[in-house]
Amino acid sequence: GENVEQHPSTLSVQEGDSAVIKCTYSDSASNYFPWYKQELGKGPQLIIDIRSNVGEKKDQRIAVTLNKTAKHFSLHITETQPEDSAVYFCAASSREYGNKLVFGAGTILRVKS
Amino acid sequence: DVKVTQSSRYLVKRTGEKVFLECVQDMDHENMFWYRQDPGLGLRLIYFSYDVKMKEKGDIPEGYSVSREKKERFSLILESASTNQTSMYLCASSLGGPTDTQYFGPGTRLTVL
Repeated sequence: GENVEQHPSTLSVQEGDSAVIKCTYSDSASNYFPWYKQELGKGPQLIIDIRSNVGEKKDQRIAVTLNKTAKHFSLHITETQPEDSAVYFCAASSREYGNKLVFGAGTILRVKS
Repeated sequence: DVKVTQSSRYLVKRTGEKVFLECVQDMDHENMFWYRQDPGLGLRLIYFSYDVKMKEKGDIPEGYSVSREKKERFSLILESASTNQTSMYLCASSLGGPTDTQYFGPGTRLTVL
C-alpha cells in the first residue's frame, strides 16, 4: 500500500524567512497531493493541493511542487509570519488504496518573532 | 461554511467501557471518515463511509466499529476501551469524489484509564 514520509518533524524559522517541508510517496499511481494545516486546538484544514498533471501551484505565500519521477512533493512558505506556526500534514491519494488519503507524520513549524 | 462537529472535546473513560464518539456534518456530504492522530504517526484512517449504512475498514479498524444511520451523522464505537486507544480522534467529511476536500472536526481527546 501507499506510504508517505514527511521531513522534517520539527522546523523553526525566523519570521520573514522561508520554510520548506518535504514528502515522499511510494505508490507511483498516486495522483492527488493535498497539504493540511492544523492549528492548536483545531482540526486540520486544507491549505493547498496539487494534482499529478501539474508541477507547481502557488497561492500567495504558499507554493507546492511535485516531482512525479522522484515521487516527492514539497510545501514552500515564503515570508513566514507567527500565524504560520502550526502542524502541517502532507497526504497522497493512492488509486491502489481506493483513492483514500494517506497522511505523512506531520511537521511542527515554529515561526520565531 | 462547512461545519463538522464532534460531540466531545475531551473524554475520560475506564478500561472496558463502551465508548461512543459522535460526528455530525451540515453540508450534505456523501463521505465521512474517522481518523486517529498520534504524535509521530500522523493521521491514520480507522473507518470511512461513502453512503448511509455503508462502511469500510481503514488502516487500523481493530477494536473499533462505526455506525451511519443518517447521512449527516457518523459514530465511532469502542466496544471495550483499552489504554492503547488513548488518542486524539478526528472526524472528517467530503462531498463525494476521491479528491474532494476533507473537512475536519475539532477532534476528541480520549483518555482511557
